[in-house]
Order: sequence, then C-alpha cells, then structure tokens
Amino acid sequence: DTAVSQTPKYLVTQMGNDKSIKCEQNLGHDTMYWYKQDSKKFLKIMFSYNNKELIINETVPNRFSPKSPDKAHLNLHINSLELGDSAVYFCASSQVQEADTQYFGPGTRLTVL
Amino acid sequence: GQSLEQPSEVTAVEGAIVQINCTYQTSGFYGLSWYQQHDGGAPTFLSYNALDGLEETGRFSSFLSRSDSYGYLLLQELQMKDSASYFCAVGGATNKLIFGTGTLLAVQP
Repeated sequence: DTAVSQTPKYLVTQMGNDKSIKCEQNLGHDTMYWYKQDSKKFLKIMFSYNNKELIINETVPNRFSPKSPDKAHLNLHINSLELGDSAVYFCASSQVQEADTQYFGPGTRLTVL
Repeated sequence: GQSLEQPSEVTAVEGAIVQINCTYQTSGFYGLSWYQQHDGGAPTFLSYNALDGLEETGRFSSFLSRSDSYGYLLLQELQMKDSASYFCAVGGATNKLIFGTGTLLAVQP
C-alpha cells in the first residue's frame, strides 16, 4: 500500500494555465506539507497543514493556493503558471510532534513551457 | 536566518566508509535529520539526532554535536545502491524542516 501518493506524476503545461496537484496519505498522520525542489535539488518548504489548519506559509506567490479537505489530503492549486514554476513538487506527511521524520510522496514533475 | 552547509559532492569506492558533514546556523534548534534521495526519487528519512552523540542504524550512523552546531552521516561498507543525494535538515519550534543543499555521493566499483 502506498503511504503518500501524489497525482499526477508528470505535468506539462503552457504558461498562463492553471493546474492542480493532489496528495493523499494513509499513514494516519495529522500534518502534511508541500515542498518545491528546483533543478539544483534545493528542497524548500512551501506550506504545511495540521489537521486541516494552515500552520506554515512560506514566502510563496499567492498564485499558489493549498487546500486540505481533511487531514489525509492536501492539494495544491497553481494559477497563471510561469516558467519559474517548473520544478518537482513533493508532498510529505508526519505526526506534528515528529516533524523531523517526514514521509514523502513520489513527487510531481511540473514543466511549464 | 537559518543555513546549513554540506559538501556538494563526495566520491568513494564500494566497501569503503564515507562521512558527510553538515554544519548549521539556526534558531530554535530541536534536532538534525538526514534524508536520502535517489535520482528521480523521493527523499527518504534515514536518521534523527536530538541529543549529542552517535545514533547507529545498520550500516548508517549519524552524529550530532549541539555545541559545535555540527553533525555528520557515516556510511559504512558502501554499496553501489548508496549512490544518491544526502540531505541534512534541521527542525525547530515551528515544525518546519530546513534542508541543506545536499551532498551527491557517487560510489564507484
């Protein structure tokens, strides 16, 4: 059984489009995260939700909007895509008191043309 | 601000021992974690140190010195499958993990 899953795995789209990435975890964790990994492999936190409540919101353009319908799901919607949004986006989850031990999804490789 | 420094690349041969260092500057330090990421894959948790000293998990060990703001990951009996990027990460009161820039380990036959 997949612990943290993301869809889609690959996303190729044109500048200006809007797209969404979905994430689900079946580990029973109460906290979920979105990370962006750029071409230099730098892994940066974007958002974190604990029990559907936003607890971390880094300096991310407001074109990015996370949504957590329940504690097992965290989606990321991106409006007006730009070339610089091309990256791999990882979802992760953990228990809030064990935030150092995070379980990552397989990633979504977003390419903006 | 918060920053972590790791060597960008390390090369070693099969069967050898390699140490990947990590120095950090951060506020509200709780602990140091290590993650492994194979090319095209997801980061995978390896170890966590909250207290000074050495933690051993099979062929991998991790060390922390809080007074020196320094830690390392030690990989023994290297295998080809250990070729990957290794990231140190620090956690603090905000439940936020800050990742280092990663060390690309190349294991050669």
